[in-house]
Amino acid sequence: GQQLNQSPQSMFIQEGEDVSMNCTSSSIFNTWLWYKQDPGEGPVLLIALYKAGELTSNGRLTAQFGITRKDSFLNISASIPSDVGIYFCAGSISGAGSYQLTFGKGTKLSVIP
Amino acid sequence: NAGVTQTPKFQVLKTGQSMTLQCAQDMNHEYMSWYRQDPGMGLRLIHYSVGAGITDQGEVPNGYNVSRSTTEDFPLRLLSAAPSQTSVYFCASSYSDRDTDTQYFGPGTRLTVL
Repeated sequence: GQQLNQSPQSMFIQEGEDVSMNCTSSSIFNTWLWYKQDPGEGPVLLIALYKAGELTSNGRLTAQFGITRKDSFLNISASIPSDVGIYFCAGSISGAGSYQLTFGKGTKLSVIP
Repeated sequence: NAGVTQTPKFQVLKTGQSMTLQCAQDMNHEYMSWYRQDPGMGLRLIHYSVGAGITDQGEVPNGYNVSRSTTEDFPLRLLSAAPSQTSVYFCASSYSDRDTDTQYFGPGTRLTVL
């Protein structure tokens, strides 16, 4: 099946710094999603991308759907302590009746005050 | 709305025991699914359902059974627990299988099999 490579695996940053993480795939997706998971909770959707080249923002978060449809990145600007958590990318291919999501392994973000 | 609820939050089992993880949603969602999350891994789909009475296998179905007798509930059964099933289990739901991009996740059940 499809595989998503998410990097980096973990990051330690100072409060106020910008953060960038990305996902690459061996297959084409037509939807890219970014989730955040707080400790002890389920993932929560941050941003959804539906078109190659699309750039979407949600507050301090910005995500882009790669032109090749095989990658996506997430940027967080001016990080704050509540940004701590695990960020997952996920992709899906709609077609042939399948909308199942494939998840990356996550990027664990730690913010040092 | 309570959203997606899961019980129990924590569970410890011995090898060979059986149990059912409960999942319920009050949003009238047709699509429900079960994922497992292992350390350093993304979520992997176990089983899913596109509506009451309809279930199908995901990526890692072995060792798990599901049923969907009502729209609201989607229990996950472990018939004979194994240590390899130690994991965090998440239930999720969305309006339909075409809306998996906007599915809501429950808070998870942390299962340890000794």
